[in-house]
Amino acid sequence: DQQVKQNSPSLSVQEGRISILNCDYTNSMFDYFLWYKKYPAEGPTFLISISSIKDKNEDGRFTVFLNKSAKHLSLHIVPSQPGDSAVYFCAASTNAGGTSYGKLTFGQGTILTVHP
Amino acid sequence: DSGVTQTPKHLITATGQRVTLRCSPRSGDLSVYWYQQSLDQGLQFLIQYYNGEERAKGNILERFSAQQFPDLHSELNLSSLELGDSALYFCASGRSSYEQYFGPGTRLTVT
Repeated sequence: DQQVKQNSPSLSVQEGRISILNCDYTNSMFDYFLWYKKYPAEGPTFLISISSIKDKNEDGRFTVFLNKSAKHLSLHIVPSQPGDSAVYFCAASTNAGGTSYGKLTFGQGTILTVHP
Repeated sequence: DSGVTQTPKHLITATGQRVTLRCSPRSGDLSVYWYQQSLDQGLQFLIQYYNGEERAKGNILERFSAQQFPDLHSELNLSSLELGDSALYFCASGRSSYEQYFGPGTRLTVT
């Protein structure tokens, strides 16, 4: 049961343009969403997050949008740079019930390639 | 550098064997999380410890166990290894349920 889905396995973008990575979820109990970036042979690195009480969070070139009614979030990177080329994972968390405290449920990841 | 360390970086072992993966969390972090990343399954949550106590369990096999010691480092024990256990194993630590910082991972190859 894939509760967090990233339907695009890969995305290719020209340097300077916008990259939009998408993520869908099915569990309405998720109340916090995160994006991680991963380079080969390294662990995931936290990028940006958003609480379910917000619909937008911005940090420099990175903006995450949350549409709760559609159970959809997206990560916008503007402008894209070659150094942004990596695998991007969407993750979700819920504090409901206490038993899953802190557990992250990850999507399958999207490989972003930014061409110079 | 996330501040989370994992040893060893690579491990090659045979089926049926037992291995121990080690994780040292960031200074001050009480929570340690273990995740498995295999080719076909993506990143899967295994187990969480908070200040020495098990807090949450994911799809962790009975052949796998973990513990967190008084100095807050954690070990993941994998026994009766099978070919399908070959994967990257990540440890993460954090101070709140919404911040998790990942180590570089241990690549386990079972032959």
